[in-house]
Amino acid sequence: KQEVTQIPAALSVPEGENLVLNCSFTDSAIYNLQWFRQDPGKGLTSLLLIQSSQREQTSGRLNASLDKSSGRSTLYIAASQPGDSATYLCATTSGTYKYIFGTGTRLKVLA
Amino acid sequence: NAGVTQTPKFQVLKTGQSMTLQCAQDMNHNSMYWYRQDPGMGLRLIYYSASEGTTDKGEVPNGYNVSRLNKREFSLRLESAAPSQTSVYFCASSETDLRGEQFFGPGTRLTVL
Repeated sequence: KQEVTQIPAALSVPEGENLVLNCSFTDSAIYNLQWFRQDPGKGLTSLLLIQSSQREQTSGRLNASLDKSSGRSTLYIAASQPGDSATYLCATTSGTYKYIFGTGTRLKVLA
Repeated sequence: NAGVTQTPKFQVLKTGQSMTLQCAQDMNHNSMYWYRQDPGMGLRLIYYSASEGTTDKGEVPNGYNVSRLNKREFSLRLESAAPSQTSVYFCASSETDLRGEQFFGPGTRLTVL
């Protein structure tokens, strides 16, 4: 059974710092891995989708990597800003039609 | 494009009452999903519909029913609400199966008293 873990559960950093968020999964037979952002009281916004055949994806200041063999993905945020403050969730597949989500990392970027 | 829309945004029910949560997507996606989000437990899949006319159970289906009305709409029904169903409910869609990116609606915050 696929399990997804995100550590740490919460993180505070000063503005401008580069940071890495971690996502681990137990079953390497995945189709893809997706990173989301969730603001308080809001829905999930898709940030990056990495297919199982890919090693990384980039969008602006965000870079996500995938290492299936070790069951890990990282989300790198460059030059963090207060507007990046949110909860970041990763999700990956279990079987054909099911996504399993981590419980998220709550990020606070201090001005 | 509105993306994925959900109604209502908020709802308060008494134990034993019934209600239907509505979801619609305008992206011509084949697959649709219902999740619940609870503090400390992350998002859990309730039901999904791989394509129009099909539905299947997810991780936590007890107490819920779903209807894939057409390609655009996927509703979630609580027949007899219980306090344990107090949660935030999200609908999502993807173009095909899980090889595609998932897009989420804004959520429905449900309280059962």
